[in-house]
Amino acid sequence: GAGVSQSPSNKVTEKGKDVELRCDPISGHTALYWYRQRLGQGLEFLIYFQGNSAPDKSGLPSDRFSAERTGESVSTLTIQRTQQEDSAVYLCASSAFQGKGQPQHFGDGTRLSIL
Amino acid sequence: TQLLEQSPQFLSIQEGENLTVYCNSSSVFSSLQWYRQEPGEGPVLLVTVVTGGEVKKLKRLTFQFGDARKDSSLHITAAQPGDTGLYLCAGADPGGYNKLIFGAGTRLAVHP
Repeated sequence: GAGVSQSPSNKVTEKGKDVELRCDPISGHTALYWYRQRLGQGLEFLIYFQGNSAPDKSGLPSDRFSAERTGESVSTLTIQRTQQEDSAVYLCASSAFQGKGQPQHFGDGTRLSIL
Repeated sequence: TQLLEQSPQFLSIQEGENLTVYCNSSSVFSSLQWYRQEPGEGPVLLVTVVTGGEVKKLKRLTFQFGDARKDSSLHITAAQPGDTGLYLCAGADPGGYNKLIFGAGTRLAVHP
């Protein structure tokens, strides 16, 4: 497809389990961002990838969160030992490059619910 | 920590009315973007403003970036029910990487 694709669209899991969220950016986009949106709130930055490297991980809330990107395309966000406060919508965005004013194109997100 | 305060949080108006949404910060941004988000979907970009004092128009929507690049406004003229949704402003961190700092959003409901 032409847009950013995220999977799964919904994930329900038990507290303490690990989860893996996937993002397929727009083809050719070198910059990739992960954000988190809690219910009724704006988006919080988590991590930024330029190509396969992550020069800014400042938004990751704890060491339970990690992300990687391979082949300058697909990225996965992994949350280990999930907690109830991890419940949120996780959104991925990509842009052609990270220059000033470059628009970010968002996927529809993964809605994560921790029981 | 950069913060972007967005107001009002909720807005319920009748069709045909005008409205303004505000985004304010004490920090300078290299650019500011406005998004609209529908339930169950990701934000969709409406406009990007880059230059202080810049004004952009998109049909009935007018976007303005403050002279000091710390604040922005979105004005909708003659609102329509199709304008209903969550409006988000987002400032690009001038420190690099173009990561976005989002406001909490304005939830707009336009009633026929």
